[in-house]
Amino acid sequence: DAGVIQSPRHEVTEMGQEVTLRCKPISGHNSLFWYRQTMMRGLELLIYFNNNVPIDDSGMPEDRFSAKMPNASFSTLKIQPSEPRDSAVYFCASSLTGALVHEQFFGPGTRLTVL
Amino acid sequence: LAKTTQPISMDSYEGQEVNITCSHNNIATNDYITWYQQFPSQGPRFIIQGYKTKVTNEVASLFIPADRKSSTLSLPRVSLSDTAVYYCLGQREGTYKYIFGTGTRLKVLA
Repeated sequence: DAGVIQSPRHEVTEMGQEVTLRCKPISGHNSLFWYRQTMMRGLELLIYFNNNVPIDDSGMPEDRFSAKMPNASFSTLKIQPSEPRDSAVYFCASSLTGALVHEQFFGPGTRLTVL
Repeated sequence: LAKTTQPISMDSYEGQEVNITCSHNNIATNDYITWYQQFPSQGPRFIIQGYKTKVTNEVASLFIPADRKSSTLSLPRVSLSDTAVYYCLGQREGTYKYIFGTGTRLKVLA
């Protein structure tokens, strides 16, 4: 398996623009997580899905952020409009719930820069 | 979820055993302790998970004493490539939500 796939790997955009980050989880996994990492705040969980349903979105910073999971093999995180403070590395992770040991598999991340 | 506290940084030399201790005084009965490793410009990677006593895999050992208020990740004979940030996390059984702290930045010196 190729692991968790994220695209794009790098995104540079201007304030006010819409940004869409994409994630393909590991085949067979039924949970998907979106995280954001910055130097100031560390690694924060934004939202997680189980069986394509959002379970906990309490980490989504504000209404400018939205996430969808239309099927088991694809998820998006959208920021509209983007702001410079959204600059961070965004990670997607997937896991198989119900496994004896719960392990999240992280993707390589998308480095977002908002100018 | 258990709030965890760990040293901000540690230095070690190649070939030494490294022990990173994590405190989790308010751990609940159904919380597991999980450790992740993160290299620069990469996502975190699972190392080991345990509930109590000792767990060992090909990468590390995890020691959790009977009171479970702390845990120690042991890395045998570290190499330069073990330089990374190590996170100790509490995970509630039946839930899949992690709270990452600041982690311990381990630097292995030649």
